[in-house]
Amino acid sequence: ETGVTQTPRHLVMGMTNKKSLKCEQHLGHNAMYWYKQSAKKPLELMFVYNFKEQTENNSVPSRFSPECPNSSHLFLHLHTLQPEDSALYLCASSPADRERYFGAGTRLSVL
Amino acid sequence: QKEVEQDPGPLSVPEGAIVSLNCTYSNSAFQYFMWYRQYSRKGPELLMYTYSSGNKEDGRFTAQVDKSSKYISLFIRDSQPSDSATYLCAMATGSQGNLIFGKGTKLSVKP
Repeated sequence: ETGVTQTPRHLVMGMTNKKSLKCEQHLGHNAMYWYKQSAKKPLELMFVYNFKEQTENNSVPSRFSPECPNSSHLFLHLHTLQPEDSALYLCASSPADRERYFGAGTRLSVL
Repeated sequence: QKEVEQDPGPLSVPEGAIVSLNCTYSNSAFQYFMWYRQYSRKGPELLMYTYSSGNKEDGRFTAQVDKSSKYISLFIRDSQPSDSATYLCAMATGSQGNLIFGKGTKLSVKP
């Protein structure tokens, strides 16, 4: 266990569905992140939260909506996704906005 | 020119071999260098972390940074089948900098 837990591990959704990804960290870190990992591409940073405040939105389409109710929990709300959004979505936390501690990810398939 | 270049492989070696994994980068401001290991169906886990130039050793793993050549390496001695994974390099400019990842190199160690 890395101390960062993501649920669900797998998700299949249609383009008209609404779903949410959940992330919880037990490391006492102040920064949390959402990354997208696609085949043959580097990890893409999507959102950054520091002390519950969003500090970065890396030009992510509005069909992805993050929520950070406290320093330990992070959500990614999904709606009207496209097939090209199929990927592994990784949550991470960090003590000092440097090294990242990742969860196991949610494998998302959009049909 | 991409900020971080990493050969995706795949790289296949026999058990016991010395493995050399490399990344090159273009931004001379990078100061923090990391290697992550990602097993199949898992998130990346931090393997090695170095600051500025030089070597760092941890068991069978050695990380090298050559800032003059903008080149970093990870050496694995006496490689084991359990080392089979994708290895990602990552780097940042400062203590609050965004972490830039390479695409990852897939390594397979054959018994």
